[in-house]
Amino acid sequence: SQQGEEDPQALSIQEGENATMNCSYKTSINNLQWYRQNSGRGLVHLILIRSNEREKHSGRLRVTLDTSKKSSSLLITASRAADTASYFCATDASQAGTALIFGKGTTLSVSS
Amino acid sequence: KAGVTQTPRYLIKTRGQQVTLSCSPISGHRSVSWYQQTPGQGLQFLFEYFSETQRNKGNFPGRFSGRQFSNSRSEMNVSTLELGDSALYLCASSLIQESYNEQFFGPGTRLTVL
Repeated sequence: SQQGEEDPQALSIQEGENATMNCSYKTSINNLQWYRQNSGRGLVHLILIRSNEREKHSGRLRVTLDTSKKSSSLLITASRAADTASYFCATDASQAGTALIFGKGTTLSVSS
Repeated sequence: KAGVTQTPRYLIKTRGQQVTLSCSPISGHRSVSWYQQTPGQGLQFLFEYFSETQRNKGNFPGRFSGRQFSNSRSEMNVSTLELGDSALYLCASSLIQESYNEQFFGPGTRLTVL
């Protein structure tokens, strides 16, 4: 079953604009991760935020986490055509182990 | 450092057949997880292996099985294939068996069942 639900399902922007994707989840978590997938290929890990963190930055990426609302957002600033991909949030599924529960993803299209 | 490799990359089978997919983790990684990705269900966790032991299993029928070898390489097997098994199968490895550890994904094996 899906834990995270990303919003919007699809997003189209111009190069240079910012892109914001949201993720909601259902149960308590230890951490939340964001991944990128290009054209049905493997997933690339972008950033991990722990449940006791509220915000995290990595280059042009900014992630926020609100555990009271069970939601997270991923902001990509100054988007580039190369950012065109699907973005997934993933939460830990168990007390131990590496199993992740993924949302259905947001498809981002950046046009030049 | 070589990434996660999966073989084969593409596979076409017919209903009723069985298939074996292989995953070689990054050198030194002992945890391997498998995921199924379909347009309808998205990414779903299949199972996880650590030090040759299955530690977690997702909600899939017994037709889906796997194993891990002493060199951490992992295989998954699907028997009696059904049309709905058509999917991208992704393998991920991580250094330790904790969810907060970054997982590195392979390129996937695209299975088509006819």
